[in-house]
Amino acid sequence: AQSVTQLGSHVSVSEGALVLLRCNYSSSVPPYLFWYVQYPNQGLQLLLKYTSAATLVKGINGFEAEFKKSETSFHLTKPSAHMSDAAEYFCAVSEGNNDMRFGAGTRLTVKP
Amino acid sequence: GAVVSQHPSWVICKSGTSVKIECRSLDFQATTMFWYRQFPKQSLMLMATSNEGSKATYEQGVEKDKFLINHASLTLSTLTVTSAHPEDSSFYICSAHDLARGGFEQFFGPGTRLTVL
Repeated sequence: AQSVTQLGSHVSVSEGALVLLRCNYSSSVPPYLFWYVQYPNQGLQLLLKYTSAATLVKGINGFEAEFKKSETSFHLTKPSAHMSDAAEYFCAVSEGNNDMRFGAGTRLTVKP
Repeated sequence: GAVVSQHPSWVICKSGTSVKIECRSLDFQATTMFWYRQFPKQSLMLMATSNEGSKATYEQGVEKDKFLINHASLTLSTLTVTSAHPEDSSFYICSAHDLARGGFEQFFGPGTRLTVL
């Protein structure tokens, strides 16, 4: 079965600094990969998704992620952090069925 | 497009009572809906997958007699927590798959905070 590991339960950056949230996956077939953001007491909002097209995926709010098969990674980046980016971020993997598995989440803190 | 709503957004109930949570796809038909539970500072754990017109498929360890799921139409799924206890207090999130869009993306509702006293 597929699984996701998010390295770092908490990441803290200064406003304007690079954001890097790490995600490694395990899948027996070519995966579909997702990054979601969750604000307190809210549901999940899709940031971006990889579905076997371009390996560099651009999402909303200036985020992007690169699928690297050799490293089984799908790290999320943003060149310049904003205060509004502070939230919980979840990486998820699907093997092309209805089964989606989430990572443990990474809490991003942005310092002024 | 692809909006999912949940009702109520929060509910407080006494131990032993039952609580129903609704999940609706507002602008698309969802043949499959998913129910997740999220404890504080933890990830989402899939509880069950429901398909319109058929019985839900529960994940291992989830009591199907305690968490009743009904997916009676292509736009509505309900989760009923029966005889709720304080340990059932959690954030419940539903999601739906839009058949017309294809792919495997799930669209998430805003969640329901359940507190059992």
